[in-house]
Amino acid sequence: EVQLVESGGGLVQPGGSLRLSCAASGFTFSSFWMSWVRQAPGKGLEWVANIKQDGNEKYYVDSVKGRFTISRDNAKNSLYLQMNSLRAEDTAVYYCARTLMATLYYWGQGALVTVSS
Amino acid sequence: QSALTQPPSASGSPGQSVTISCTGTSSDIGGYNYVSWYQQHPGKAPKLMIYEVSKRPSGVPDRFSGSKSGNTASLTVSGLQAEDEADYYCSSYAGSNNPYVVFGGGTKLTVL
Repeated sequence: EVQLVESGGGLVQPGGSLRLSCAASGFTFSSFWMSWVRQAPGKGLEWVANIKQDGNEKYYVDSVKGRFTISRDNAKNSLYLQMNSLRAEDTAVYYCARTLMATLYYWGQGALVTVSS
Repeated sequence: QSALTQPPSASGSPGQSVTISCTGTSSDIGGYNYVSWYQQHPGKAPKLMIYEVSKRPSGVPDRFSGSKSGNTASLTVSGLQAEDEADYYCSSYAGSNNPYVVFGGGTKLTVL
């Protein structure tokens, strides 16, 4: 059974940093692209970033470029999102998702990130 | 404002059919056959219902179907059931330029 479990969410002040993790199991992690998608409270879904199987190809939505970094450790079956210079508008539930050609096949349960003073 | 346009709400009675539209451009929906639909119940993670325009993942009832014409994709739910009440989001590949994936704003489906 495919499982994706996010962790690392919490309350952070504007300008602060946070690192999200996503632990994967039930499939060969190193064989799949992975993505982060977020959902602000009461709002729709927004794709944030994705990363190729070997980590050598990454894409970001414009609003997080230069502030967020997606990475992965295939030996640990883990996906990460380093978030720096956080803003109030980054407040959202962040989901990791197993990805194939822009299709988000499996999703984690999400991690809430709240940016507030 | 979302890149793809969906109606904010849709409704139908049990047993009826409902179709939700998703309109984009030639740079996303019209340019690729990578349209997906996701179902999200309150407080839950989204679930893939349709991928590559009209394919259903294993375990998704065949009451759910997808199609595309030009720059508009559609999700049809036939034989509505109470458990189909949820938010539905469409998405499309938009090329390797930013953004890679675009979503619709979501449609709240109400089963009357």
